[in-house]
Amino acid sequence: GNSVTQMEGPVTLSEEAFLTINCTYTATGYPSLFWYVQYPGEGLQLLLKATKADDKGSNKGFEATYRKETTSFHLEKGSVQVSDSAVYFCALKNNNDMRFGAGTRLTVKP
Amino acid sequence: EAQVTQNPRYLITVTGKKLTVTCSQNMNHEYMSWYRQDPGLGLRQIYYSMNVEVTDKGDVPEGYKVSRKEKRNFPLILESPSPNQTSLYFCASSLRDFPVGELFFGEGSRLTVL
Repeated sequence: GNSVTQMEGPVTLSEEAFLTINCTYTATGYPSLFWYVQYPGEGLQLLLKATKADDKGSNKGFEATYRKETTSFHLEKGSVQVSDSAVYFCALKNNNDMRFGAGTRLTVKP
Repeated sequence: EAQVTQNPRYLITVTGKKLTVTCSQNMNHEYMSWYRQDPGLGLRQIYYSMNVEVTDKGDVPEGYKVSRKEKRNFPLILESPSPNQTSLYFCASSLRDFPVGELFFGEGSRLTVL
């Protein structure tokens, strides 16, 4: 079946630090991969996506590359800001099946 | 403004008292879905609907009902709520073929069942 595993948090970083949140997946065929972000008190919103192998999704300084050989879609940002504090969800869609990881809470301190 | 609207945002109820959480979207999306979010478990799909009058079970449908009589609305019904249904619920919608699009989420409904 389809599943997503992402690193457990919480993750606490200082402003301007480098961020990596690991995400690996299990799926048959060719899923689309996503990162969603949830700011406090809000619903999830799409951060970036990749629909095929070797695609790189990017938005707001965040990047993730669809690696089929390692079944991974790790989220990275070179210099985090306090405003990036949120919960980040890795997700995949395979046909009609949409799966989310457990979420990783990021706190960025000034 | 394109949005998914859920009501109520917060609700405290008692075991066995039927309740409905409404969800409405104004984007003419075919696909709608309900998720629950629990600590350490992420989002789990309860039910989804590919279009009007078409609904399917997700991973955790027990204790829930849905209906899709109109394209814009997708209410979640708890006929006899129990404490294990205490959770944060999200409604989401998208175009039918959304691998190249995105899933739009409501702001969430926090339900407590005593």
